[in-house]
Amino acid sequence: DTEVTQTPKHLVMGMTNKKSLKCEQHMGHRAMYWYKQKAKKPPELMFVYSYEKLSINESVPSRFSPECPNSSLLNLHLHALQPEDSALYLCASSQPTMTSYGYTFGSGTRLTVV
Amino acid sequence: GENVEQHPSTLSVQEGDSAVIKCTYSDSASNYFPWYKQELGKRPQLIIDIRSNVGEKKDQRIAVTLNKTAKHFSLHITETQPEDSAVYFCAATRRGAGNKLTFGGGTRVLVKP
Repeated sequence: DTEVTQTPKHLVMGMTNKKSLKCEQHMGHRAMYWYKQKAKKPPELMFVYSYEKLSINESVPSRFSPECPNSSLLNLHLHALQPEDSALYLCASSQPTMTSYGYTFGSGTRLTVV
Repeated sequence: GENVEQHPSTLSVQEGDSAVIKCTYSDSASNYFPWYKQELGKRPQLIIDIRSNVGEKKDQRIAVTLNKTAKHFSLHITETQPEDSAVYFCAATRRGAGNKLTFGGGTRVLVKP
């Protein structure tokens, strides 16, 4: 299995809702990432997990809460989002020494906040 | 921190011609430079990468060159085909950066049949 699977593919949520994005990989990668991508822009790093521990938080607002239950799964919990949070949310994984193999991205969750 | 600039932002080429995208980086310690292709509505996919101990790498119709002295690297696509139409992102990182990739702003490539 050489893929990163993200669910759901699309999500529409109100500003008072709570929802979660899920990401799964079975490549044995021990580093996992959340990126946010706005239209016509490059991916923007949000969080990095290395060996299931949060290693980088790029000053992301607390309405985004990541979780790494095990080495194959990565979640992003969403609460009280704003319309400007609407974007494509990409999960990625890699070997911990990323300079060896590069990232594998999932197909993303397209989030719309209304 | 690292800063990566990418040019041009858009590139239109005739099918069969070559396309070149250039990136410059600021951190002289950067040692890994991947290129990603993102088709409309799809995930970024790694198409080629280069490490700082190599000056050039080829894979069929694509090649990447690296000039460490000038701190720039380039993607070359030869014999372009309509399926090469996509947004291309360069990126850079170094050891000790916590696996963080810094992306360039992207180049939208359109191959006209």
